[in-house]
Parts: sequence; C-alpha cells; structure tokens
Amino acid sequence: QSALTQPASVSGSPGQSITISCTGTSSDVGNYNLVSWYQQHPGKAPKLMIYEDNKRPSPSGISNRFSGSKSGNTASLTISGLQAEDEANYYCCSYAGSSTWVFGGGTKLTVL
Amino acid sequence: EVQMVESGGGLVQPGGSLRLSCAASGFTVSSNYMSWVRQAPGKGLEWVSVIYSGGSTYYADSVKGRFTISRDKSKNTLYLQMNSLRAEDTAVYYCTRVENNRHFDYWGQGTLVTVSS
Repeated sequence: QSALTQPASVSGSPGQSITISCTGTSSDVGNYNLVSWYQQHPGKAPKLMIYEDNKRPSPSGISNRFSGSKSGNTASLTISGLQAEDEANYYCCSYAGSSTWVFGGGTKLTVL
Repeated sequence: EVQMVESGGGLVQPGGSLRLSCAASGFTVSSNYMSWVRQAPGKGLEWVSVIYSGGSTYYADSVKGRFTISRDKSKNTLYLQMNSLRAEDTAVYYCTRVENNRHFDYWGQGTLVTVSS
C-alpha cells in the first residue's frame, strides 16, 4: 500500500492551464479505471472532482475546466482557465484491489 | 441533502481507546459502502477502513487488528473503534460514502484525534 506519487507543488497564472500527475503501479492505477481526484481547501473536507479516471460528478456542478486522463500507470488532472479559487491541495486516489484504496501525497496548486 | 457529522475525537494517551461516530442523513448508511479516511496534521490523505453494504470489513495494514469499523442501522450511524492508539494515529478522521463502490463522493467535516501523553 505505497502512496501514489504526485508533485509536491505546481503553479500557474490566471487563465493558464496546469496538469498534475499521479503515478502508481500496475497493481493500482494501471490495473483499474478507478482513479479519482479530490480538491481540498485549507481547513475543509476534501471534495470529489473527478472519478473513474475522467468523469465529472453530476449534478455537483464541477466545472468542465477540470478534466482527468490516464496513460498506463500515470493519471493526470488538468485544470484549464485557472481561477483564483482553484488554489488548493489536490489528491489523487486509486482503488488498489483487495478492497483497499491508496491516495497520492497531494499537490499544492498556487495561482500566481 | 446528504450530510455526515463526525464526533468522538479528542485527546487520548498512547495505548488508549476512542470511538468515533458518523451520523448520516439524506441516505441510508447500511445500504452503501462507507469508509474512514484520515489526515495527519500537515500531511496527505490516508485510507483507513471500509464496510460494505453486506457487512464485510477491510482495513489498511497500518490499523489492522487495532481498529474496527461498524454501523448501527437504527441510528443510521457509522463507527470507528480505535484501540491501542499510537502517536502516529494522530489525525483528522473523515467519514465518507463510497459511491459506485469505488470513489468517495460525500465527506463529513472531520474529527480530530490526538494521541499524546
């Protein structure tokens, strides 16, 4: 149950696009189409943004500026048209089989 | 409206026990998969445990044998019994609903557990 690997931080200017990577193994990310992404603002509970690699929850109102993708053992979250309110910590998570889940270490997004 | 409210956190000495509760509304706990996820201060998220609608339970290796997840159908409440607590169990504990049996769609506000002498 080793944590998925995410960059510690990423940054971008308003209006730009950024991508956060999430690298696992063939036992978790690469074996299931079950990667989810969570946004967490300081002092708040995490919020589901993407599930099953690339689906946005509905009718939760998640902006289509958020998108997910995956290639092999690496999943990615892309945020386009960066806005100030996107500044937060982002976590990926994958189902890892045998009724267990594994999270990434988290990425702090700074909007410059 | 789906809502989950955790309670039961606090300060406990190493080796002690604590029971967390998660009172749910807007859905039926026993008809869903439910999970606990924790976050140590300044750290990332860590999956802790899950209980399936059928009653099967599973745990992260870090808590196996020490923590027990359960639910009360009549109270629509999820529990986490934590025994033999260690300093490294210090964290905010969130209860979550597991949608489609595979991702966490609703989260409570969390309850802080501090293990210290």
